[in-house]
Amino acid sequence: QVQLVQSGAEVRKPGASVKVSCKASGYTFTSHSMHWVRQAPGQGLEWVGIINPSGGTTSYAQKLQGRVTMTRDSSTSTVYMELSSLRSGDTAVYYCARSHCSGAVCPIDYWGQGTLVTVSS
Amino acid sequence: SYVLTQPPSVSVAPGKTARITCGGNNIGIKSVHWYQQKPDQAPVLVIYYDTDRPSGIPERFSGSNSGYTATLTISRVEAGDEADYYCQVWDSSNDWVFGGGTKLTVL
Repeated sequence: QVQLVQSGAEVRKPGASVKVSCKASGYTFTSHSMHWVRQAPGQGLEWVGIINPSGGTTSYAQKLQGRVTMTRDSSTSTVYMELSSLRSGDTAVYYCARSHCSGAVCPIDYWGQGTLVTVSS
Repeated sequence: SYVLTQPPSVSVAPGKTARITCGGNNIGIKSVHWYQQKPDQAPVLVIYYDTDRPSGIPERFSGSNSGYTATLTISRVEAGDEADYYCQVWDSSNDWVFGGGTKLTVL
């Protein structure tokens, strides 16, 4: 069965960086793109970006361009999301979420358990 | 950038029909997906490509999309349907966009 297991909660000071991992299992890692979606406390879902594990190509939300980097390690079926220059507004639960297929309009069919990133001085 | 507008809340009595709308510029030409999120849980896909239902999702859930509004319809609403619902589309600016979410309350 498909599983997405994320790394544990993180606490960072403003200006620091954080790297969250998402280990995939139960399917062919390179056949499905992976989204990152975040949710601030009490707020809605916000798309962060997407990575195609096959070629490593990425697309990021415009508001996070320059601060977010997504990478993958195909040998371990793991994707990573690194966010730099953290500010309090980045405090959120970060989800990795599998795209059902490889096209741009594909829905998300599986979600990780979420990783809480807290930015506080 | 593309904006999706959802009502913040919808209330419905058990057994009745709930309709949650998602407005966007010419959204009828886009593929809309809907997610259900219960407290402290990850979202779950309930409708994809406007009208399709994943396996395991009750037939009570249906979707439509035309013009400037997409709609998620939940028939014969049950207490267990109480949750936040989000619509989502892909925009040609290469961004995925979520609506602001609608809290469904079962009275």
